[in-house]
Amino acid sequence: NAGVTQTPKFQVLKTGQSMTLQCAQDMNHEYMSWYRQDPGMGLRLIHYSVGAGITDQGEVPNGYNVSRSTTEDFPLRLLSAAPSQTSVYFCASSRLADTQYFGPGTRLTVL
Amino acid sequence: QQQVKQSPQSLIVQKGGISIINCAYENTAFDYFPWYQQFPGKGPALLIAIRPDVSEKKEGRFTISFNKSAKQFSLHIMDSQPGDSATYFCAASKASGSRLTFGEGTQLTVNP
Repeated sequence: NAGVTQTPKFQVLKTGQSMTLQCAQDMNHEYMSWYRQDPGMGLRLIHYSVGAGITDQGEVPNGYNVSRSTTEDFPLRLLSAAPSQTSVYFCASSRLADTQYFGPGTRLTVL
Repeated sequence: QQQVKQSPQSLIVQKGGISIINCAYENTAFDYFPWYQQFPGKGPALLIAIRPDVSEKKEGRFTISFNKSAKQFSLHIMDSQPGDSATYFCAASKASGSRLTFGEGTQLTVNP
């Protein structure tokens, strides 16, 4: 099992550009989520999904879109990147009501 | 609004010492309290977790103490080792694993 994989590992964007952060898991987990990690603020939930076709907003959803067309994939889209979105992004997955497994992260810089 | 507050922000301990990290929460509906360990450049990994029906849980050198009335829980690392140097996050959720709310994190350094 590869677990939770994320691509790319690093990305630099200019303000206003759009991009998609990819997340995939091979554990047949129902629950998937996206967090951002900023210094001194822990991890904050952006969006989550409890199954294919079902998504919901977390604590800091503005500026981000998600979709869940398959159990395995949960991409995060930045519509128009802003410097405030410079962060490290983590995807996580789990069976419902079980331990969450995190991916290795994507470090995003918006200039 | 930070529903889970963690302290200290950073901690330096000598090898063999005890590391103690504290967390306090506000939402009484939380019923699952995990601790995650994160090494530089890696994602967080579950270290140990507790539910409020017990006051303490021990796994090897790691112990969670839980005080439901005070809405506080803490991580104790006994016989701290340089390999324990990492960032530690407490978290809480209403059901185990889903919608985790994290504390701010504690950067632990264990000196040889």
